[in-house]
Amino acid sequence: QQQVKQSPQSLIVQKGGISIINCAYENTAFDYFPWYQQFPGKGPALLIAIRPDVSEKKEGRFTISFNKSAKQFSLHIMDSQPGDSATYFCAASRTGGNTGKLIFGQGTTLQVKP
Amino acid sequence: ETGVTQTPRHLVMGMTNKKSLKCEQHLGHNAMYWYKQSAKKPLELMFVYNFKEQTENNSVPSRFSPECPNSSHLFLHLHTLQPEDSALYLCASSQEYSDRTHYEQYFGPGTRLTVT
Repeated sequence: QQQVKQSPQSLIVQKGGISIINCAYENTAFDYFPWYQQFPGKGPALLIAIRPDVSEKKEGRFTISFNKSAKQFSLHIMDSQPGDSATYFCAASRTGGNTGKLIFGQGTTLQVKP
Repeated sequence: ETGVTQTPRHLVMGMTNKKSLKCEQHLGHNAMYWYKQSAKKPLELMFVYNFKEQTENNSVPSRFSPECPNSSHLFLHLHTLQPEDSALYLCASSQEYSDRTHYEQYFGPGTRLTVT
């Protein structure tokens, strides 16, 4: 119930391509879904986040798509660049009970080839 | 210094040693967190302090002992660790730890711990 399942574990994309990372959850009480980006030697940093009242949120080349009925959400990176090579984590939490407690996915290592 | 800093960045310790990890946040936040990051596993929340009070202990073994003397500093005291405790230990901070709204968590670079 508390898990967030992330796939794929690793991803290789050519420069200019679209990177897609998927996450699925079980707990319908989750109402906040952030994505974190982590470069080697650094801590994770918030990239973009969505709440279930919208189906899509876009910030620059990064888009979250949210499917409430399927309990899935995904990160799309358009025009992927070598500088996007990093590990990406999805996460989920819920208001009303330990809101700061984020449940993380296992992470996806993205490599963008020049 | 800006953001969240952690020292040391790397630590090798034997199973009988005692060591401490230090975290400092320069963001004026009131909540601080310890996470464990192991290869191929999700980040695991260990402890949360909100306004210097411990509000979460995620069933962490007693060989890990947190300390939060003020809202800017957080320590993780380590003793008699096991090899499986080798991991990246991340500190984070946020404005608060609340059940009413979500506050963005800002992470430090982590301490890479190796237990031999």
